[in-house]
Amino acid sequence: GAGVSQSPRYKVAKRGQDVALRCDPISGHVSLFWYQQALGQGPEFLTYFQNEAQLDKSGLPSDRFFAERPEGSVSTLKIQRTQQEDSAVYLCASSPWPDKDYEQYFGPGTRLTVT
Amino acid sequence: AQKITQTQPGMFVQEKEAVTLDCTYDTSDPSYGLFWYKQPSSGEMIFLIYQGSYDQQNATEGRYSLNFQKARKSANLVISASQLGDSAMYFCAMREGGYDMRFGAGTRLTVKP
Repeated sequence: GAGVSQSPRYKVAKRGQDVALRCDPISGHVSLFWYQQALGQGPEFLTYFQNEAQLDKSGLPSDRFFAERPEGSVSTLKIQRTQQEDSAVYLCASSPWPDKDYEQYFGPGTRLTVT
Repeated sequence: AQKITQTQPGMFVQEKEAVTLDCTYDTSDPSYGLFWYKQPSSGEMIFLIYQGSYDQQNATEGRYSLNFQKARKSANLVISASQLGDSAMYFCAMREGGYDMRFGAGTRLTVKP
């Protein structure tokens, strides 16, 4: 079956622009995660959805970051008024259940460059 | 405080030899899960192996095994019979009672022919 897909794969934004990054998780997966990966670093947790409920948004770096998953499947991460420090790869992952014993399946990521 | 520590920024190994990638972790939660992921230059994160904190035996998946030493809080990844395609970044990660998964800074493995 299809894996996790993300679009666009690459996004260049001028500072101050708003961007929207899309994630299509594996069908039927309850859990969905967003991570930010800076160059040369490991991924950093941003937020977690269980179905349509956003249960943890503790990793969102500022109120310019907003995520939603209105129907419990596709998710969108929105960044308003982008800054240069937002340049990173944004990874989406899904997992069949909320339990921590299950691995997360990652998408290919969206590389955001803010100029 | 750093939850996951990977002290080897880069490692080299000869093809067909075994290599150990180090990972130590910090938690006071008795229930947690440890994961290793591979990230090739193409960017996708590929799940390799999982170890639960209550598992009695070390996890194995094909050429990958996890050397789990709970008292030392270490979870080293052992790759046997290295192949050229194993060259990639390797990340150790931990998930405790919450929803977030914490990753280490990674180790870049290069397999030499």
